Amino acid sequence: QLVLTQSPSASASLGASVKLTCTLSSGHSSYAIAWHQQQPEKGPRYLMRLNSDGSHIKGDGIPDRFSGSSSGAERYLIISSLQSGDEADYYCQTWGTDTQWVFGGGTKLTVL
Amino acid sequence: EVQLVESGGGLVQPGGSLRLSCAASGFTFNTYWMHWVRQAPGKGLVWVSRINSDGSSASYADSVKGRFTISRDNAKNTLYLQINSLRAEDTAVYYCTRGDYCFDSWGQGTLVTVSS
Repeated sequence: QLVLTQSPSASASLGASVKLTCTLSSGHSSYAIAWHQQQPEKGPRYLMRLNSDGSHIKGDGIPDRFSGSSSGAERYLIISSLQSGDEADYYCQTWGTDTQWVFGGGTKLTVL
Repeated sequence: EVQLVESGGGLVQPGGSLRLSCAASGFTFNTYWMHWVRQAPGKGLVWVSRINSDGSSASYADSVKGRFTISRDNAKNTLYLQINSLRAEDTAVYYCTRGDYCFDSWGQGTLVTVSS
């Protein structure tokens, strides 16, 4: 079964960097994912598509501070030079065979 | 600029029906698969349904199969979700989003509240 696992919460200081993790279930380590940001009381915003080799394609207007990387079944979202506006929920999303689309449970990022 | 604008949400009694709409602009609507995703209060995102670019094929999450129907009017650049036999657990913000695989644009959502 295709499942994405995220830690419920993360925190980092203003100006620092943070690395959020999304883990693909067993047997799905080659899958690409997408990262989405959801600021409080807003709709989601597409950040990037992240492939298994670490290559990524960002959405329009996404700052260079946002990047992605991959290692095995893990997909990472790295945010550098954290700003207060980065405080949000971050969701990973993937797609499988038999027309299934799956989200991780989301990580709530707090900027200290 | 890509825009997706949902409408049609509201307060409905259990067992009732609603039709949600999503008006699309800024892109060639009839070349994209479209989806509905929902988010219950305080919870995460959940995929609900998808329709292919010409409307000939659709799929649904098990939790809504048989109660929800997705459709589209490519002449009007509009996506729809007919939701019937509503239950309390269908209470959520419903988002439309586009993409064959990644969801690369999102609307602002429309709130559906199921309560007596």
